Amino acid sequence: QSVLTQPPSASGTPGQRVTISCSGSSSNIGSNTVNWYQQLPGTAPKLLIYSNNQRPSGVPDRFSGSKSGTSASLAISGLQSEDEADYYCAAWDDSLNGSWVFGGGTKLTVL
Amino acid sequence: QVQLQQSGPGLVKPSQTLSLTCAISGDSVSSNSAAWNWIRQSPSRGLEWLGRTYYRSKWYNDYAVSVKSRITINPDTSKNQFSLQLNSVTPEDTAVYYCAREKRGIAVAGTWFLDLWGRGTLVTVSS
Repeated sequence: QSVLTQPPSASGTPGQRVTISCSGSSSNIGSNTVNWYQQLPGTAPKLLIYSNNQRPSGVPDRFSGSKSGTSASLAISGLQSEDEADYYCAAWDDSLNGSWVFGGGTKLTVL
Repeated sequence: QVQLQQSGPGLVKPSQTLSLTCAISGDSVSSNSAAWNWIRQSPSRGLEWLGRTYYRSKWYNDYAVSVKSRITINPDTSKNQFSLQLNSVTPEDTAVYYCAREKRGIAVAGTWFLDLWGRGTLVTVSS
């Protein structure tokens, strides 16, 4: 069971806006920033959003992130077929000696 | 362009030691603004952070509680790489293993993120 909680699936049609939620606790999201990753089949996770809402260069501005309290969200607007992938949230957890923790992943299907 | 190149065997026998190496190009394992991590992914456990090594005037290591008694992560400054050793493996250690760089955020002070990942190595524990 993953420390951060995400819905297992999400879907939308091309052009739509979809959001993916990520719920944590005071020791992770509540006290540290959230990062989001996109994973295409057979590939490594790719950084999509860092520090809650920052996009690395090359990531389209269709992708945006936000955080409030112990929850975070990833929004994808103008959905495209190539957005079909698994999406993961991550945050540093301050409990015990500290560790990176991840969500269980959300499989996004473009209908 | 920074790249992480993973190497190591894809098959390990139960009770033996899993050993992987991650060679760094375009950055330094001794960088004061980076940390070097190992993460694994399996259908049963999802993404699981294993540990990291980093240099801040001296070398530090952090390990996940779940593997702390079995893991060693070592930097190799002469080859600009870092390695993972996981002892006494069982079939539950079967996973895709990734090395990843952790960088300090600039836009938001005091933040860190895993920005670059290796391609992954599928390690199967089986006799």
